[in-house]
Amino acid sequence: DAMVIQNPRYQVTQFGKPVTLSCSQTLNHNVMYWYQQKSSQAPKLLFHYYDKDFNNEADTPDNFQSRRPNTSFCFLDIRSPGLGDAAMYLCATSLQGDGYTFGSGTRLTVV
Amino acid sequence: GEDVEQSLFLSVREGDSSVINCTYTDSSSTYLYWYKQEPGAGLQLLTYIFSNMDMKQDQRLTVLLNKKDKHLSLRIADTQTGDSAIYFCAESPVNSGYSTLTFGKGTMLLVSP
Repeated sequence: DAMVIQNPRYQVTQFGKPVTLSCSQTLNHNVMYWYQQKSSQAPKLLFHYYDKDFNNEADTPDNFQSRRPNTSFCFLDIRSPGLGDAAMYLCATSLQGDGYTFGSGTRLTVV
Repeated sequence: GEDVEQSLFLSVREGDSSVINCTYTDSSSTYLYWYKQEPGAGLQLLTYIFSNMDMKQDQRLTVLLNKKDKHLSLRIADTQTGDSAIYFCAESPVNSGYSTLTFGKGTMLLVSP
């Protein structure tokens, strides 16, 4: 089945140690998104790629970066995780803004 | 910009109907979505409606849209304990290119036996 896959499901990292979360898709969607969802809150868009074009939300901290080496893969890099970055990170894809599909998420714990 | 509001909590008994409400502010043509999120899981798309429609029904789910009041509701018939989850309303305006989803804060539905 075509889908959006996030690895790992659970990630524990040390305070200040760089961490990378990955997302892959078999839908051939041209738009890929990263959302941050803290406990009991709505998902918040961090950034997205429209094809190769990177679009950062104005309030996304510089600590968060992203890479999209090809259509299928997108990575979220957190350069120096703080305790406040502990959250569920959701990857999503769409075709021209249609047919949004979410992955199962990666729950990040910072110790 | 867009803003989506939801009531935070709903408790019902198994077998009853549940109605979850949402209001949105975007005045342009928009898609409106309902997502379900179980504990520790990602978002599951339940259904969606375009803003020029009044109603959409899909098995136990009925979406009603009041365009004048910008009010959206999700009715779940014969609610089961497995329906306990957080339900997010989201909107995505239709632009000439593409757009992103704006979510409400979510409504926690608790179904008791």
